[in-house]
Amino acid sequence: EAQVTQNPRYLITVTGKKLTVTCSQNMNHEYMSWYRQDPGLGLRQIYYSMNVEVTDKGDVPEGYKVSRKEKRNFPLILESPSPNQTSLYFCASSPNSGFYGYTFGSGTRLTVV
Amino acid sequence: AQTVTQSQPEMSVQEAETVTLSCTYDTSESDYYLFWYKQPPSRQMILVIRQEAYKQQNATENRFSVNFQKAAKSFSLKISDSQLGDAAMYFCAYSRGQNFVFGPGTRLSVLP
Repeated sequence: EAQVTQNPRYLITVTGKKLTVTCSQNMNHEYMSWYRQDPGLGLRQIYYSMNVEVTDKGDVPEGYKVSRKEKRNFPLILESPSPNQTSLYFCASSPNSGFYGYTFGSGTRLTVV
Repeated sequence: AQTVTQSQPEMSVQEAETVTLSCTYDTSESDYYLFWYKQPPSRQMILVIRQEAYKQQNATENRFSVNFQKAAKSFSLKISDSQLGDAAMYFCAYSRGQNFVFGPGTRLSVLP
C-alpha cells in the first residue's frame, strides 16, 4: 500500500530532551515536507526537501532540524524541545511540489512539558 | 508570500443539504494549483479535490465541486447532499513550486 509512515503517533517529552520523529514513504516521491498544525493557524511548513541531500527552510523552521540521506526517509529532529513546540506534526510527500498535492502521514501529537 | 484565507472558522449543515465553504488566496502568479483537504477526527489529511489555475472549468468529484474565480482569487468548495461522514475540518491550500500554503481551516458540522 502506498503510504507515508510517521512514528510515533503520540509523544510526551520534557523540555530539553532531544527527540526524533521518523517519516518514511514508499512511493519513490522526490518531494517531502514537514508541517505543524495549531488551532486557528492551519498547517505551517517547517522544512521541505526536493531531493536527497537537498533541504530548505519553510515558514517556521526555528528549533527544528531535518536530514534527507535517503529518498524515502525524512526525519524531524528537535534538539532541545520547548513547550511552544507542543503541536500536531505531519510529514508529507509528493511526486513533485505542485500538481499532485501531498500524501500525508497520520500525524504525531507531541506534548512538551 | 502567498497567503490563504478561510473566513469561516465553523459552519454547520443539515444532512442532505448543500453547504459552501469559502477560500480566498493572495498570489501574483498566474500558474498554480489549488486544493481542498479534509481532516476528520481521525486527523488523517485526505485530498478532496484539486484545481489547476490554467483550467477555467471547475473541478468536480462526486458530491464535491469548486467555484474557481481566478480574477477574484476565490476558490470555494460546495458539498452537495451532505452526509454525516462529511463532518471534518476542511483546509484550502495553494501550491506553486516548493510553496505549499494552507489556510486556517473551517470546521464543518453535519446535523442529522
